[in-house]
This record gives sequence, structure tokens and C-alpha cells, in this order.
Amino acid sequence: DTEVTQTPKHLVMGMTNKKSLKCEQHMGHRAMYWYKQKAKKPPELMFVYSYEKLSINESVPSRFSPECPNSSLLNLHLHALQPEDSALYLCASSPPGTDTQYFGPGTRLTVL
Amino acid sequence: AQSVTQLGSHVSVSEGALVLLRCNYSSSVPPYLFWYVQYPNQGLQLLLKYTTGATLVKGINGFEAEFKKSETSFHLTKPSAHMSDAAEYFCAASSASKIIFGSGTRLSIRP
Repeated sequence: DTEVTQTPKHLVMGMTNKKSLKCEQHMGHRAMYWYKQKAKKPPELMFVYSYEKLSINESVPSRFSPECPNSSLLNLHLHALQPEDSALYLCASSPPGTDTQYFGPGTRLTVL
Repeated sequence: AQSVTQLGSHVSVSEGALVLLRCNYSSSVPPYLFWYVQYPNQGLQLLLKYTTGATLVKGINGFEAEFKKSETSFHLTKPSAHMSDAAEYFCAASSASKIIFGSGTRLSIRP
């Protein structure tokens, strides 16, 4: 298994909903990342997990809550989002000892 | 702080022509450098990377990039463009366990 998978592919939610995004990899990578990407912009780093511990939080609002239950799985819990949070959410992972990141296909999120 | 600059937000070339996408980084210590490609509504795919060693790096889909320390550049080239190369290209550099992305260059291919 040589890829990062993300579910769902698309998500539409209201501002009062609670939803979760899921990211999975089985490549033995020990660092995992969440990014937010707006149209025609580069990805913006949100969170970094290293060996299942949160190592970087780029001052992301608390309505985004990451979770890393094990070395293969990364979740992003969403609650009370705003329309401006609509974006492509990308997950990535990297092997131990390298900075090379491998990206998943993303979840297209629309907040109504 | 590390930064990555991509010259030209949009590059258009004819099919079969040379592709040249420019990237410069700012760092006193050469970082690891990457080129990623993003097709519409997809994630980022790693094209190639420079870590150490040979300065000419070959990647997938016929792309290559040359690391030039004296010019702090890492330009991406392909000898002959194909219609399927139309996409957004991001140059990136590693910095303190993060990747710093350039602003991206949209490559269009004219028939």
C-alpha cells in the first residue's frame, strides 16, 4: 500500500453540524499533516503529528480539532464551521527521517 | 525565514515546446527542495526532490530540475510539453519539519 487515502471525497455541512474528515496511510510513515487549500493558492499547514503526538499547531481556530488515534490514522473533527472554512483539506504523511511529504487526494468541504 | 518564490503565476507553451518553470529559494543553508504537481480537484503529487548529491534531479513524467546553489534556484524543465502536463505546479522547500510552498505556477499547453 503506497498511498494516502482520505474520506469523504466531498462534504457539505451546515454551520451547526459536527463532522469528521479521515486520513489513512499504511506506509509506516510517522509524521502526518493537515493542510487547508483555497482556490488558486498553495496549501496552508494546519497541524503536524509526529509519532502520534501533536507537534505543530499553526494557530488554527478551535472549531478544527485534530486527532491521531494510531500511527496510520489521522482525523480532523469539525464543529461550528464558517462559510469561509470552505476549502480543499489535504492530508499528507512523511517517512521517518525525511521531510518528503506524500499527499492524499483531499476532501472538498463546503460550509453552508 | 525560509521563502520560496515562483516567477510567473501562469506559463503557456505550445505542445512539443520546452517547459521551464522558475523557482528560487532563500536560505543560507540549502534546504531540501521539491516540485509538486496538482491537477484540478486532486491532491499534490510529488514530481521530484533534491536532498543531497547530484544537482540534476530527474522526476516522473519526463520532468527534471537542477539545483544551483550559487543562484539559489531550482527550476523545473521538460524538453517537450504534452497536453496532459496542464496543471498547477508548486515549488517547495523544507524548513524546520515543515514544507514552505511557493505561490504556484499554472501551466497551460496550446495545441
